[in-house]
Amino acid sequence: AQTVTQSQPEMSVQEAETVTLSCTYDTSESDYYLFWYKQPPSRQMILVIRQEAYKQQNATENRFSVNFQKAAKSFSLKISDSQLGDAAMYFCAYIPGNRGSTLGRLYFGRGTQLTVWP
Amino acid sequence: DAGVTQSPTHLIKTRGQHVTLRCSPISGHKSVSWYQQVLGQGPQFIFQYYEKEERGRGNFPDRFSARQFPNYSSELNVNALLLGDSALYLCASSRRGLAGSSYNEQFFGPGTRLTVL
Repeated sequence: AQTVTQSQPEMSVQEAETVTLSCTYDTSESDYYLFWYKQPPSRQMILVIRQEAYKQQNATENRFSVNFQKAAKSFSLKISDSQLGDAAMYFCAYIPGNRGSTLGRLYFGRGTQLTVWP
Repeated sequence: DAGVTQSPTHLIKTRGQHVTLRCSPISGHKSVSWYQQVLGQGPQFIFQYYEKEERGRGNFPDRFSARQFPNYSSELNVNALLLGDSALYLCASSRRGLAGSSYNEQFFGPGTRLTVL
């Protein structure tokens, strides 16, 4: 079974500080992709960053970076220099890269609500 | 370019009724996926359609059905509504339907908030 677990229902951070959101996943696939999505109160699901499982180098997008530990099946998101606009629900998600009946299916965690304090 | 659009934005129904939700993908995208997001949880996969054919189905009862039209827009239908069907229904479009060896990003619409009373 393919599952995604986010163990932190809520996190908070002071503006300009750094925060790390945790995610673990379980899969028997060798080829897959991992994502962090942001869902603000507007409900629009926005892709923050993605990581290809075959790449050893951790993905980085401006203030957002990941720590991908393939053997441990861990995929954490680090937000540096946090801004008020980063406040949102963050979802970790996984999609298998191999062909099969679950093509195109994203598996999501339950989310982590991030609060940013001024 | 216009993003994924969904209609209606909000909907209130009573138990036992039927509902139809609509989704228009980004121009040039041929795949549409539907997700159900119950309050406090992550989205759950319902269906994926590609080139008007069902390519994937999640663990949802037969009361849920969908279809994709020649212009690649899609409808999600839910019959005999239950209180537990109250959720945000998200539509996502992607250029292709096959994950293959290269990533095929899914772009999400703003969702339809369904309330069943």
